Amino acid sequence: EAGVAQSPRYKIIEKRQSVAFWCNPISGHATLYWYQQILGQGPKLLIQFQNNGVVDDSQLPKDRFSAERLKGVDSTLKIQPAKLEDSAVYLCASSSAQGAGELFFGEGSRLTVL
Amino acid sequence: SQQGEEDPQALSIQEGENATMNCSYKTSINNLQWYRQNSGRGLVHLILIRSNEREKHSGRLRVTLDTSKKSSSLLITASRAADTASYFCATDGTSGSRLTFGEGTQLTVNP
Repeated sequence: EAGVAQSPRYKIIEKRQSVAFWCNPISGHATLYWYQQILGQGPKLLIQFQNNGVVDDSQLPKDRFSAERLKGVDSTLKIQPAKLEDSAVYLCASSSAQGAGELFFGEGSRLTVL
Repeated sequence: SQQGEEDPQALSIQEGENATMNCSYKTSINNLQWYRQNSGRGLVHLILIRSNEREKHSGRLRVTLDTSKKSSSLLITASRAADTASYFCATDGTSGSRLTFGEGTQLTVNP
């Protein structure tokens, strides 16, 4: 069974530039999550989708971050404009149920903002 | 703020020894999960324990949950160098479905 796919694995940009991350969840998983993990910390939920609807985006900095999940499958997370403090690993995860059962994570996209 | 807090932040042991990590949380939960993260990789689910369970085993892993103390522990028996990783607890609060992670324990198992 294919796991959660993310790209790119690494991205280096300068502050005020924009960046986009892509995630393809496990086939059939209705729930998709984007987490931000700053070095040395635990993952922090940015946004949770159930199919193509948003369940929780209360911790998403909406002035610069946006995410979409068209057709309830793939998802894209965008940051525009990036700040130095956005340097982190962006983890995508999926699960088969909305309730917090087991999450399956991708390898993450590491962003460095200079 | 994060729901779960792991203790200790870092743990270094010799191969063959047991490793115990603790997690404390603040509000009522539906379940508690433990995840493992190797350096530079994504998180991998280890075990889920529901709020009405007190203990659960999976291979060399033993998880306990004490809802009266709002705490959980993860025990890894007969540790191996390959167990070197960060371990995170995550809680699912009764008020919503958001899974909230703690800051993690960095475990180093020396060969």
